[in-house]
Amino acid sequence: EADIYQTPRYLVIGTGKKITLECSQTMGHDKMYWYQQDPGMELHLIHYSYGVNSTEKGDLSSESTVSRIRTEHFPLTLESARPSHTSQYLCASSATGGLGTEAFFGQGTRLTVV
Amino acid sequence: SQQGEEDPQALSIQEGENATMNCSYKTSINNLQWYRQNSGRGLVHLILIRSNEREKHSGRLRVTLDTSKKSSSLLITASRAADTASYFCATVLTDSWGKLQFGAGTQVVVTP
Repeated sequence: EADIYQTPRYLVIGTGKKITLECSQTMGHDKMYWYQQDPGMELHLIHYSYGVNSTEKGDLSSESTVSRIRTEHFPLTLESARPSHTSQYLCASSATGGLGTEAFFGQGTRLTVV
Repeated sequence: SQQGEEDPQALSIQEGENATMNCSYKTSINNLQWYRQNSGRGLVHLILIRSNEREKHSGRLRVTLDTSKKSSSLLITASRAADTASYFCATVLTDSWGKLQFGAGTQVVVTP
């Protein structure tokens, strides 16, 4: 069982609200990622971090922001939620090493903005 | 566009049959990984094959990598109903710091 946790699992929220999706890992991994995935569709990288105080935007433009103040914590924030933000958000982490290592995923947060 | 593209998009087989899916990518990679996702859940890592490897096995899984064709295949032998899931390939590019990029996935349904 992977030691990476996302909360909440499900969130239904009204338009205009500010939300923060939590992601924590206890494996000491340097790299952390946020992916956005619509049901049955591909994963799109929206943010990544390769260490504390280092964050980058991913391939898919997103109105969300992230922070990485501690190694184990990588929260994602939406300042003003809109229905277009409705999706599943997956957090992952991986260790640094050689030609790359496997990523561990959380269970995801399914966000619905009404 | 996404780095990896899977083929077929969907696959339906009966228990006991083999399932094969393919992944093509566009640029030079450090490694290629396969993941499995059950409906509505997170992804689970299955196998990682490095750019200097050509074939790897893990239980009923067999992965091949052809860097000259920029393609990989995942074979699941003697499939079971519990193998029903979506399968994704992900690549780590040589010019990245280890960033994982995913393909669109193959939905596999195994009927008893």
